[in-house]
Amino acid sequence: QVQLVQSGAEVKKPGASVKVSCKASGYTFTNYAIHWVRQAPGQSLEWVGWINTGNGNTKYSENFQGRVTITRDTSASTAYMELSSLRSEDTAVFFCARDPSGSYDYWGQGTLVTVSS
Amino acid sequence: DVVMTQSPLSLPVTLGQPASISCRSSQSLVYSDGNTYLNWFQQRPGQSPRRLIYKVSNRDSGVPDRFSGSGSGTDFTLKISRVEAEDVGVYYCMQGAHWPPTFGQGTKVEI
Repeated sequence: QVQLVQSGAEVKKPGASVKVSCKASGYTFTNYAIHWVRQAPGQSLEWVGWINTGNGNTKYSENFQGRVTITRDTSASTAYMELSSLRSEDTAVFFCARDPSGSYDYWGQGTLVTVSS
Repeated sequence: DVVMTQSPLSLPVTLGQPASISCRSSQSLVYSDGNTYLNWFQQRPGQSPRRLIYKVSNRDSGVPDRFSGSGSGTDFTLKISRVEAEDVGVYYCMQGAHWPPTFGQGTKVEI
């Protein structure tokens, strides 16, 4: 069965960076893009960025431009999202999601990133 | 960016009664391939979002048939024919027709 398993919760200080992983199983990793979505406490969902897992092409939200980097390791069937220059407003749950085309059919369990001094 | 506007934002429901959520987009969600990329997700407390409906009206495997999606262009609706206790949560519409993908504000369904 398809699964996306994310790395565990992180606590970071302002100005630091965090790297979250998303390991895929149950399907051919390079056949589907992976997106990252942020959900701040009590808020809606916000698109962060996307990676074409086949060729490594990426697109990022303007709201995160310059601070976010999404990569993948095809040998490990894993996608990564790194967010730098963290600030308190970045405290949120980050989800990875599989994209079959214009949608998200499977989601990871979410990774809570807490930014606090 | 395409703005997705849901209403209502809070929806008190009665068990066994129908419920309906509206979603409007600031641009048509018909893509150049002829498909309309409008999705509905359910997020129960403490859980990841779960897709219920894709391309306006296609129900995902395992989703009860009391959930249905309809609409076209810029106006879409999610209907629950008879609300059950397990339907409590927040429902989001999301468009995948234009970059970047965008979500509605969410509608909280509570008994």
